[in-house]
Amino acid sequence: EPEVTQTPSHQVTQMGQEVILRCVPISNHLYFYWYRQILGQKVEFLVSFYNNEISEKSEIFDDQFSVERPDGSNFTLKIRSTKLEDSAMYFCASSEYKGGEQYFGPGTRLTVT
Amino acid sequence: ILNVEQSPQSLHVQEGDSTNFTCSFPSSNFYALHWYRWETAKSPEALFVMTLNGDEKKKGRISATLNTKEGYSYLYIKGSQPEDSATYLCAFMRPGGYQKVTFGTGTKLQVIP
Repeated sequence: EPEVTQTPSHQVTQMGQEVILRCVPISNHLYFYWYRQILGQKVEFLVSFYNNEISEKSEIFDDQFSVERPDGSNFTLKIRSTKLEDSAMYFCASSEYKGGEQYFGPGTRLTVT
Repeated sequence: ILNVEQSPQSLHVQEGDSTNFTCSFPSSNFYALHWYRWETAKSPEALFVMTLNGDEKKKGRISATLNTKEGYSYLYIKGSQPEDSATYLCAFMRPGGYQKVTFGTGTKLQVIP
């Protein structure tokens, strides 16, 4: 069964460093998402991506964040200069059609020290 | 800020008991409601996508109903089993911003053998 994959599973970085989180969505899916969950809090939407551009982003997704689909299979989230409060579990998801069920990856745990 | 609330926050039931929990969302602006099941150390898994007022969906022992006019959805589990233990999340989508997803806080279900 096709699945969404994410790498790395755990990333430790120092404050101020850039990180890139990688996701490979399901191949025939067209809509892509990033979410995060800070420990003990609810899952928060970051950004959605369709047709090679951002379709919606939350207030969390400021200039420090960017997304890219560089090669037609990977979908990346870059945090330019990490802060302590960026420590969270980051989930990628994809869906086949607009508003459809989303398939989640296993997540990347980002720890900023 | 959208309020998507779930209740109860957590629930313990005996194996074989039936149970239900609630997701409430803004009734004035609705596109879709998703239910996800999230087991510990795994990624969220889609259960249902609900779009029409009065929708009832079923998957095995789990079913869900939707009332968009009053802004709530119920998830029912009949004859709970230990493997049903998980956090159940609802996720709300508005029209227009259909690709922005607001998650509820989740209901953590533990089924005691």
